Amino acid sequence: RKEVEQDPGPFNVPEGATVAFNCTYSNSASQSFFWYRQDCRKEPKLLMSVYSSGNEDGRFTAQLNRASQYISLLIRDSKLSDSATYLCAVNKSPGGQGGKLIFGQGTELSVKP
Amino acid sequence: DVKVTQSSRYLVKRTGEKVFLECVQDMDHENMFWYRQDPGLGLRLIYFSYDVKMKEKGDIPEGYSVSREKKERFSLILESASTNQTSMYLCASSYVGDPNQPQHFGDGTRLSIL
Repeated sequence: RKEVEQDPGPFNVPEGATVAFNCTYSNSASQSFFWYRQDCRKEPKLLMSVYSSGNEDGRFTAQLNRASQYISLLIRDSKLSDSATYLCAVNKSPGGQGGKLIFGQGTELSVKP
Repeated sequence: DVKVTQSSRYLVKRTGEKVFLECVQDMDHENMFWYRQDPGLGLRLIYFSYDVKMKEKGDIPEGYSVSREKKERFSLILESASTNQTSMYLCASSYVGDPNQPQHFGDGTRLSIL
């Protein structure tokens, strides 16, 4: 089983749709969780951190489910500009040395007019 | 804003050459990382460093070495480039004091080995 797994997609949705991505992780001791966005042929950029109580940033909502060991990203009112690959990342060494992250392979989102 | 700068966006080298990829960050971060990213394989950690002159192997260190002589600079070295090292290489940095701090990436270097 991979340490961090995502559905690769692609998710093809119309503008205005709500779309949700999940990311499962295997290490129950993980403490830090992130969502990154990566545009084609560009570097990953931090979209948002994921906090235990869940957090929202505009149209984006991130949630953590420790019992089932997954994080989720919800995008409401999708825009064409949301088309990208979304990577989840989980820290490998809790509190730890190096701050190593394990990345999922990414979920591709394509928002159509 | 954190700035992570990689020396080249595109690089073409020949098999057997020694290749240097440079990365500089301006946020006084202790942690620095080198990844490669390939279609279908995602981001894979090659090496990381949590302090000057400190380095640890990641998941795929074979064929690579690194150097961290100064805090702001982390170099990736391909000792003898091979065609299977053609890839997108990404450098990242993060602050060591808080595990909730994310990693920040450079623009990436697209390396082709002919």
